[in-house]
Amino acid sequence: SAVISQKPSRDICQRGTSLTIQCQVDSQVTMMFWYRQQPGQSLTLIATANQGSEATYESGFVIDKFPISRPNLTFSTLTVSNMSPEDSSIYLCSARQGISNTEAFFGQGTRLTVV
Amino acid sequence: GDSVTQMEGPVTLSEEAFLTINCTYTATGYPSLFWYVQYPGEGLQLLLKATKADDKGSNKGFEATYRKETTSFHLEKGSVQVSDSAVYFCALRISSSNTGKLIFGQGTTLQVKP
Repeated sequence: SAVISQKPSRDICQRGTSLTIQCQVDSQVTMMFWYRQQPGQSLTLIATANQGSEATYESGFVIDKFPISRPNLTFSTLTVSNMSPEDSSIYLCSARQGISNTEAFFGQGTRLTVV
Repeated sequence: GDSVTQMEGPVTLSEEAFLTINCTYTATGYPSLFWYVQYPGEGLQLLLKATKADDKGSNKGFEATYRKETTSFHLEKGSVQVSDSAVYFCALRISSSNTGKLIFGQGTTLQVKP
């Protein structure tokens, strides 16, 4: 199984600023994903991070607000731009090693509070 | 569209009680089904999975059977412990998706009292 490390684990940010979250996997993975977990709610997929190309965003999420990078097969970043209190959430990185029938692994998440 | 519905929580049980957390799904094709657990202050961990109809996933005393006829994947445990207190998420992976993205239910909080 892959081990996923996220940094920072938590942060308190001022509205209008941006925060970049890093996700490091200890082995090469095929797919990487970013999820948001708003307080008391389930996980919602923000985007699939594609290695060497633009991320694929889900409905309701846009690149200008959540730019994503994936420079190689083990690393990805998510930036939350121009933050507002509504962006206060846990952001989770996920990875999957194979193409089919393999489970996804999750990082411990980044707890973001925007004040 | 594809979706997962879980019973609302919190579910509060005494230690050694029997646990059932209901999960039903709507999906096109033949999804794989998962239960993830999130302990306080931690990330999600895969608890068990089933990839086709009638498969039973099991781990740490938890079980769930993939029921295609009722589109369900209920989580059960015969005797819960205080350490089982966590949030449990049912999820599906769409078979037609080449990225394997997961769709999650809303989560069910389990509180086990000694």
